[in-house]
Amino acid sequence: GQNIDQPTEMTATEGAIVQINCTYQTSGFNGLFWYQQHAGEAPTFLSYNVLDGLEEKGRFSSFLSRSKGYSYLLLKELQMKDSASYLCALPQAGTALIFGKGTTLSVSS
Amino acid sequence: DTAVSQTPKYLVTQMGNDKSIKCEQNLGHDTMYWYKQDSKKFLKIMFSYNNKELIINETVPNRFSPKSPDKAHLNLHINSLELGDSAVYFCASSGLAVNEQYFGPGTRLTVT
Repeated sequence: GQNIDQPTEMTATEGAIVQINCTYQTSGFNGLFWYQQHAGEAPTFLSYNVLDGLEEKGRFSSFLSRSKGYSYLLLKELQMKDSASYLCALPQAGTALIFGKGTTLSVSS
Repeated sequence: DTAVSQTPKYLVTQMGNDKSIKCEQNLGHDTMYWYKQDSKKFLKIMFSYNNKELIINETVPNRFSPKSPDKAHLNLHINSLELGDSAVYFCASSGLAVNEQYFGPGTRLTVT
């Protein structure tokens, strides 16, 4: 089976840097996804990590350590529009995603 | 030019009724999914279809029946609706295995 843990809520201020952690257990690792979901909207893809290390994509970066069962999403230069839920997910049976319960990030001015 | 579309966006109905939600994708993807997001925002897979064949059924009650007339469409029919079925239902699609999924805008179902 699979298990994913994320903090429930985080708060930060505009311009700051925030790191959202995700720890997981899985019987067969096949990559890890991060999705962003604004209130009342659909989840949108942010990143996919399959190898260890840091991948940077603009203000967002994602890190993976397969040996530790650990990933994080790093958001730099926070903006108000970054207030959203951030979902960590593992592929199941090759295709469908198993999501964590999500981390709700609130950015204040 | 919407990638994944769902209808209706909102659905309010009474307990015991039967309702359907439709989903269409124009991305040429082979795999489509239905996810349920409950009031606590937990997003959970319900069904997955690959090229019109069911490949996952996550112990969903048999009141829920997905139907895929072709690989661009995946509909969800729900019989005898219950209060606990109130949630947001998202359709999604993906191309190659272990690839990013594209989600539809969601259907907010409220059962009264």
